[in-house]
Amino acid sequence: SQTIHQWPATLVQPVGSPLSLECTVEGTSNPNLYWYRQAAGRGLQLLFYSVGIGQISSEVPQNLSASRPQDRQFILSSKKLLLSDSGFYLCAWRGLYNEQFFGPGTRLTVL
Amino acid sequence: GESVGLHLPTLSVQEGDNSIINCAYSNSASDYFIWYKQESGKGPQFIIDIRSNMDKRQGQRVTVLLNKTVKHLSLQIAATQPGDSAVYFCADEAPGGKLIFGQGTELSVKP
Repeated sequence: SQTIHQWPATLVQPVGSPLSLECTVEGTSNPNLYWYRQAAGRGLQLLFYSVGIGQISSEVPQNLSASRPQDRQFILSSKKLLLSDSGFYLCAWRGLYNEQFFGPGTRLTVL
Repeated sequence: GESVGLHLPTLSVQEGDNSIINCAYSNSASDYFIWYKQESGKGPQFIIDIRSNMDKRQGQRVTVLLNKTVKHLSLQIAATQPGDSAVYFCADEAPGGKLIFGQGTELSVKP
């Protein structure tokens, strides 16, 4: 069966510091992968999606970036975090019937 | 632009009663809809989906109804239990396989 992992689970970072969040999927090949951000427990905002290795589409201009170095690995990064980057970051993969399955999330607090 | 909205931000029901959570969408060309359940601190969990060629689909204790005429989607939960307490999101599929999420309805179940 397919599983999706995210780490770390929680992260507290100072403003201006770099960021790297990792997402990996098991049990499927060449999935579409997605990064979302959720603020205040409501509404998911799509940040990036990837249809394959090295292919990244950005949905929202911001100081975040994403990379897909391997088929089942999706990384969200920032060179310098802003206060507004705080939130709950969710990775998802697309299933056979277009449904999306989410990972456990990373809670990021920027101080 | 496309948007997906929920009629009520919160819903409180008595344990054992049926719950109905509503959602409106704006894109008449939307073909695929999903309901998610999100418990506090966790990633959204897929509940049930429906395609536009159907107007009803049933799962275990849940039913999704789709009214394409008025662009309305609802999730019915039968015999609501305390474990059903969560935030429920509807989502519809935009071009490119991206999901557009509503803002969520928080369901509280009173014992």
